[in-house]
Formats: sequence, C-alpha cells, structure tokens
Amino acid sequence: ETGVTQTPRHLVMGMTNKKSLKCEQHLGHNAMYWYKQSAKKPLELMFVYSLEERVENNSVPSRFSPECPNSSHLFLHLHTLQPEDSALYLCASSRDRETGANVLTFGAGSRLTVL
Amino acid sequence: GQNIDQPTEMTATEGAIVQINCTYQTSGFNGLFWYQQHAGEAPTFLSYNVLDGLEEKGRFSSFLSRSKGYSYLLLKELQMKDSASYLCAVMDSNYQLIWGAGTKLIIKP
Repeated sequence: ETGVTQTPRHLVMGMTNKKSLKCEQHLGHNAMYWYKQSAKKPLELMFVYSLEERVENNSVPSRFSPECPNSSHLFLHLHTLQPEDSALYLCASSRDRETGANVLTFGAGSRLTVL
Repeated sequence: GQNIDQPTEMTATEGAIVQINCTYQTSGFNGLFWYQQHAGEAPTFLSYNVLDGLEEKGRFSSFLSRSKGYSYLLLKELQMKDSASYLCAVMDSNYQLIWGAGTKLIIKP
C-alpha cells in the first residue's frame, strides 16, 4: 500500500457508457494528478489539482472530466470514450507542486478497456 | 521539443550488475527522478538527483551529469524481485515532469 488508493482496479466499458474512476490519498498531500499510461509510451499528464483547484489540463478531450471535491479525493469521470482510450490510468499525489524534489506517490492504477 | 531516451528492454543475470541509462533534452533542469514499477503495481520512487555525481542507496545508485544530459541507474547484486520497469523523469524549468517510456528489466536465474 502506497497511501494512494484507486478504484476500480479494472474497468470494461462500452463507448456509450458513463463511468468514474476514484482516487483517495491518506498522506496529507496538497497536489493530486491523473496520468495515462499506455504500453511502451511515456506517462502522459492529464490533470493536476493543487489545493483542490485545477491548475493544469493538458489538452485532454472533454470526454474525460476530473473532479476534486477535497484534498484527499480525486475523480475522473468518463463518457463516450473511444477504444484508443484503453490504458492504465494512474493517480498520484505529492506534498506540493512546484518544488524541485517533488516526489510523486502513485496508486496502483485503474486498467480501463473500452470496447 | 523535450525528450527523454532510455532503452526499451534489458536482460541481466541474478547476482550481476546492470546499468540503465537515461539521456535527456529539456527546457531547463530541476532534477532527475528514477521510479520502479512492477507489473500491475504503482510506480515507486527510487532516487532524485539534482547535482552532478553519484547517489548511493543500498544496492541501487543513481548518477547524474548535467553537462551531458545523462543519468544512469546502477543495480548491484541483482535479485529476481528487481524484475520491473524503471522510469526516468526530468523536471524542467517550469516544474513539469518529462517522462521516458521506461526500461523493462528482465532478471534471469
């Protein structure tokens, strides 16, 4: 256990479904992140929240919608996804955001398959 | 553009030493990170280098040369549990993390 918990661990959905990924951190961190991890590709930063405010949205399609109700919880709402969105979605947290030694603590990820 | 290069896959023998290289070209530099990721698990932090030189942590060491845009992760006395992917990431001048695609390390008995 890393202190960052993601649910569900596996999700299969059709292109017309609506689902949500959940992330919870018990580390008292101020920043939370969503990353997309595809095979043999670098991690792609999707969204960053700092003190519950979205500070970054890296040109992510609107079919992905983040929500951060408090500093411990982060959601990724999914709707009308495409097969190419199938990937591992990683949540991470860090004590602060814009510092040099900004160590990320990751969850184990949600493996998403879009049919 | 910004770029991180590391080998896709490496194979080594149990008990041996392996060096995983990472070269980078980024807009500024605020440190280099190594993470380990076992299959199906969360990436976990291994090391952070911001100054040139070697940082040692038990069986793992990480080296940085800022002038060459180069780092390596050195794993000694390899164990089967070291089979994992190793991710190199550089923090640029805007405190953005630029990631490599990872190196899958296979340890054979």
